[in-house]
Amino acid sequence: DGGITQSPKYLFRKEGQNVTLSCEQNLNHDAMYWYRQDPGQGLRLIYYSQIVNDFQKGDIAEGYSVSREKKESFPLTVTSAQKNPTAFYLCASRNGTGVRSNQPQHFGDGTRLSIL
Amino acid sequence: AQSVTQPDIHITVSEGASLELRCNYSYGATPYLFWYVQSPGQGLQLLLKYFSGDTLVQGIKGFEAEFKRSQSSFNLRKPSVHWSDAAEYFCAVGPPFSGGYNKLIFGAGTRLAVHP
Repeated sequence: DGGITQSPKYLFRKEGQNVTLSCEQNLNHDAMYWYRQDPGQGLRLIYYSQIVNDFQKGDIAEGYSVSREKKESFPLTVTSAQKNPTAFYLCASRNGTGVRSNQPQHFGDGTRLSIL
Repeated sequence: AQSVTQPDIHITVSEGASLELRCNYSYGATPYLFWYVQSPGQGLQLLLKYFSGDTLVQGIKGFEAEFKRSQSSFNLRKPSVHWSDAAEYFCAVGPPFSGGYNKLIFGAGTRLAVHP
């Protein structure tokens, strides 16, 4: 079955440590997204990528970095510069990259990141 | 600024009762509209979407939503709630009126509890 796989499901970070969250999709989707979810705040966009080797900052990119070396993979690194990284992180993908594309986003099951 | 408002943070209904979850948006024109559902610790699942045409849209799991342009609303409804409907529900606005790069703007969510 096609879908989006996020790993690990739970992740713990020590002070001053960078950690990387994995997101892989086999839907052959062009666009991929990373969201952060905090209680009572809905989802906020961290980074997005519309094609391989290209990505753009979202609303809360500070302290995060991404890469898009392959179409199916969009890993997110939470750096030590992100002072409040505890949250639920969701990866999404979407078919089509045009501004007027009406394809919905499909989501993975998320990674919960906590500070030790 | 563009925004999505879900006025109810928590709603509790009895099993078998009808349900309406409210969503209002602030935009200059008609956006693409979505409802997603999230079970605890899981990703988001698309319930339904509205792009144009018939203002009453049917979704999965017996849900429907009605777009009302005059009220800038896209309320989600279900005639008879099942215990398995207990989850968090997110309204979202999508391209082309969400910032020019296909991001979704989410409401803060409504958490639904179902009493037996």
